[in-house]
Amino acid sequence: KAGVTQTPRYLIKTRGQQVTLSCSPISGHRSVSWYQQTPGQGLQFLFEYFSETQRNKGNFPGRFSGRQFSNSRSEMNVSTLELGDSALYLCASSGLAGGTDTQYFGPGTRLTVL
Amino acid sequence: GDSVTQMEGPVTLSEEAFLTINCTYTATGYPSLFWYVQYPGEGLQLLLKATKADDKGSNKGFEATYRKETTSFHLEKGSVQVSDSAVYFCALSESGANSKLTFGKGITLSVRP
Repeated sequence: KAGVTQTPRYLIKTRGQQVTLSCSPISGHRSVSWYQQTPGQGLQFLFEYFSETQRNKGNFPGRFSGRQFSNSRSEMNVSTLELGDSALYLCASSGLAGGTDTQYFGPGTRLTVL
Repeated sequence: GDSVTQMEGPVTLSEEAFLTINCTYTATGYPSLFWYVQYPGEGLQLLLKATKADDKGSNKGFEATYRKETTSFHLEKGSVQVSDSAVYFCALSESGANSKLTFGKGITLSVRP
């Protein structure tokens, strides 16, 4: 079974631009979550989608948004990029939207904002 | 809110040494507990998990026991290998429909031959 895939793997943007990251979950998984990983703040939860609905949201500004499509693929968008948005963005999928279920992570998208 | 505290790192060990990485948590309900490992340039891989008190998770020689009385989930391995060098994260998720993971800061383990 193919794992979680994320595209692109690397991105370089400049301040003020916007960016869209994509995540394809494991086949059959309906829950997709996004995390931001930085050296200073560690791993922080952005949001979770299940069956095209946002079920939970972390403490990030409105510049960070996401959506999920009917095939469970998900995208996250960051508008008006800031230097501090440079990070590894990780996507995770699970079969159920539940705390006991294992989340499987993709390799991440490394975003650099100049 | 929920939180996970891991011991400070980094940790450097010789091959075949015993490993303990401490993890304690604060949660309002009955969380599930996880250890994830991250190798350089990669995403996170689940190492093991436990979903209720006194459960022991184990995988690849690593073990951790869910201790509700001490709110801990310490990771242990009897004999580490060079290939175990990675960053280790302890995490929790609350019970119910919420899949959000709360992570500790992670600890870097380096194993010398």
